[in-house]
Amino acid sequence: QITLKESGPTLVKPTQTLTLTCTFSGFSFSTSGVAVGWIRQPPGKALEWLALFDWNEDKRYSPSLKSRLTITKDTSKSQVFLRMTKMDTVDTATYYCALALGSGWPFWYWGQGTLVTVSS
Amino acid sequence: QSVLTQPPSVSAAPGQKVTISCSGSSSNIGNNYVSWYQQLPGTAPKLLIYDNNKRPSGIADRFSGSKSGTSATLGITGLQTGDEADYYCGTWDRSLSAVVFGGGTKLTVL
Repeated sequence: QITLKESGPTLVKPTQTLTLTCTFSGFSFSTSGVAVGWIRQPPGKALEWLALFDWNEDKRYSPSLKSRLTITKDTSKSQVFLRMTKMDTVDTATYYCALALGSGWPFWYWGQGTLVTVSS
Repeated sequence: QSVLTQPPSVSAAPGQKVTISCSGSSSNIGNNYVSWYQQLPGTAPKLLIYDNNKRPSGIADRFSGSKSGTSATLGITGLQTGDEADYYCGTWDRSLSAVVFGGGTKLTVL
């Protein structure tokens, strides 16, 4: 059974750095073609892809947010991390991590999401 | 402004069929596989279609996908009230080197 779960602060202040953790189980990061991605969704708005870390150690970022994002992993703990700097109120959103596999990177399994509010 | 364009909303009566379009370009839909997601209110998205027209195990055959050129379409037949949700298309964009999603389509089953 594949599961993913996001964790991290629910409230951050403007200009602060957000670090989210995705803890997964049921699959191995060493499996060819596997990737873990981060996607966010502001309240009432559309999905926005943020970053992807694949089995080949390649990292990919949203072009519009690349300067603020860092994705890392700890394979021994089955965790993937997303760091986002210079948080602003417009970054208030539900943040999801998801398992991607296949051409075009379809996301097969999603975490429940974690709502992060940016407010002073 | 999303890279992939979807209609904001569609509606149909129970039992009827509806289609949701997703328009892109040669850098995304035109040269990669498309996936579709269903997001029920208050829940995480769920993969409905991958590789343009394949269904993951457990997805009803009422859901179908197709692609032609730089556009893709999600079809839902035998509409049920439980199908009321937001639907998103997604794919890889080789020019942006990024995963891209559509703006989402809200399905209302009247």
